Amino acid sequence: KQEVTQIPAALSVPEGENLVLNCSFTDSAIYNLQWFRQDPGKGLTSLLLIQSSQREQTSGRLNASLDKSSGRSTLYIAASQPGDSATYLCAVYTGNQFYFGTGTSLTVIP
Amino acid sequence: NAGVMQNPRHLVRRRGQEARLRCSPMKGHSHVYWYRQLPEEGLKFMVYLQKENIIDESGMPKERFSAEFPKEGPSILRIQQVVRGDSAAYFCASSLMEISGNTIYFGEGSWLTVV
Repeated sequence: KQEVTQIPAALSVPEGENLVLNCSFTDSAIYNLQWFRQDPGKGLTSLLLIQSSQREQTSGRLNASLDKSSGRSTLYIAASQPGDSATYLCAVYTGNQFYFGTGTSLTVIP
Repeated sequence: NAGVMQNPRHLVRRRGQEARLRCSPMKGHSHVYWYRQLPEEGLKFMVYLQKENIIDESGMPKERFSAEFPKEGPSILRIQQVVRGDSAAYFCASSLMEISGNTIYFGEGSWLTVV
């Protein structure tokens, strides 16, 4: 069964820092991996989708990489801002469903 | 183009009552997924539906829970005889087609509280 782990569980950084969030998964047979953002009491907003054949995707200050063979993905956030404070979730799609990690709670301190 | 719409956003039920959660997918989307998020836990898959078909319900509890996605109207997640352990956020998501190549879009969630 697919298991997704995110490290760290919580992260607090001063504004302006670059940071990396980590995601690992146990079964490399995935179709794609998606990074989401969740604000308290809200739904999930898709940030980046990486197909299994791709190595990385970029959107603005965000860059996500995927190493399927080792079961790892990273989300890089450049020049962090207080508005980036949220929980970041990674999820892998293996067929009929996404398997989610428990998330990294990010706080960017002004 | 409206996003995935869920209602009610918040629902309070007494133990033993029924809860009905509705989800209208994005326009043109025919694939709907329901997930549950328990406090301090990650999102857990419940069910994947297409119009009039349940494709995968491997995450649904065997009793009291059911889901449908009729030809017309929203998808419904129904919980009968609710218990306190059903208190959670229930998220619906939709995609245009099988999501091997497509982004999945989530609604804002329905927060169920059982008292």
